[in-house]
Amino acid sequence: NAGVTQTPKFQVLKTGQSMTLQCAQDMNHEYMSWYRQDPGMGLRLIHYSVGAGITDQGEVPNGYNVSRSTTEDFPLRLLSAAPSQTSVYFCASSKEREQFFGPGTRLTVL
Amino acid sequence: ILNVEQSPQSLHVQEGDSTNFTCSFPSSNFYALHWYRWETAKSPEALFVMTLNGDEKKKGRISATLNTKEGYSYLYIKGSQPEDSATYLCASGGFKTIFGAGTRLFVKA
Repeated sequence: NAGVTQTPKFQVLKTGQSMTLQCAQDMNHEYMSWYRQDPGMGLRLIHYSVGAGITDQGEVPNGYNVSRSTTEDFPLRLLSAAPSQTSVYFCASSKEREQFFGPGTRLTVL
Repeated sequence: ILNVEQSPQSLHVQEGDSTNFTCSFPSSNFYALHWYRWETAKSPEALFVMTLNGDEKKKGRISATLNTKEGYSYLYIKGSQPEDSATYLCASGGFKTIFGAGTRLFVKA
């Protein structure tokens, strides 16, 4: 099993550009989530999904969209990137409370 | 307590020292308490998930306790080793998990 995979590992965007961060898992987990990690603030939940077709907002959802068309994939979309979205993004999946994290995507918005 | 709070922010110990960290979380509507170990340049890895008041979990030299009534959990490391150097995160919640900012542990050989 590959576990949770994320692409890309690094990305630099200009303000106003859009992009999609990809997340996939091969463990047949129903629950998937996106976090951002900023210095001194730990992990903050952006969006989560409890199964295909079901998504909900987390703690800091503004500026991000998600969809869950399959159990395996949970992409995170930035519609119009802002410098405040410079961060490290982690995707995670879980079946029974224990979360498995992907390797992260480091995003810089100039 | 509205947020998950961890203390101390950082800790420097010598190899062989035992140490402990605190996690405080909202006691109302408690669902689960998680501890993660996060090494630099890696992803967080789950250490423990605890759900019942009075729960105690142990993995090697690391153990954790849970008090859901007063909203706190302790993580203990016995005989710290340099490889224990990492950030230890706690998180509370179910679908909407709230993370603390972490305790950064430095173990000097």
